[in-house]
Amino acid sequence: DSGVTQTPKHLITATGQRVTLRCSPRSGDLSVYWYQQSLDQGLQFLIQYYNGEERAKGNILERFSAQQFPDLHSELNLSSLELGDSALYFCASSPVEETSETQYFGPGTRLLVL
Amino acid sequence: QKEVEQDPGPLSVPEGAIVSLNCTYSNSAFQYFMWYRQYSRKGPELLMYTYSSGNKEDGRFTAQVDKSSKYISLFIRDSQPSDSATYLCAMTTPSGSARQLTFGSGTQLTVLP
Repeated sequence: DSGVTQTPKHLITATGQRVTLRCSPRSGDLSVYWYQQSLDQGLQFLIQYYNGEERAKGNILERFSAQQFPDLHSELNLSSLELGDSALYFCASSPVEETSETQYFGPGTRLLVL
Repeated sequence: QKEVEQDPGPLSVPEGAIVSLNCTYSNSAFQYFMWYRQYSRKGPELLMYTYSSGNKEDGRFTAQVDKSSKYISLFIRDSQPSDSATYLCAMTTPSGSARQLTFGSGTQLTVLP
């Protein structure tokens, strides 16, 4: 158990809908990362927040947005969902030290768009 | 061309074998190199990370980085059935507190008892 929690574990929804994925980082970790894992694209970095501020942005679609709250939990919002958005979404967190390279991954949220 | 290339396998070996997993990369700016292990339906877990060229050993695992060839390897000695998983290489170029990992596609390993 990495100490990172994600809810929900599974999500089934329809095209055009909007969903929110939630992540609670390990105690004390200031950085939160979101990744998407699909069979054809592999594990892709979406976005990083550090202590409430966006720090790095990857291949995140404009239909997707994220935020990190004062209690350090984070939410990933996916809107206007398409079939191709079906994937595993992972959240990861990393320790307080800014130079740490260790990222601890949560168990993921499996999203199925029908 | 992807920034990080990894042979997807699948790779099947008998218990006790030495396993070699490899990645090549094209971005010379990558400075940190990691290997993650992912069991089915679980999140990736960090196995090893290295900063410089050379070898780093941790128990049965050895990570090797050759920056001049843009090539990294993970060796598993005395492989066990519990090592059966997907192994992902990852790399990053730190910029302040920004940490964007670029992953390989993963190699699926099965160790047969």
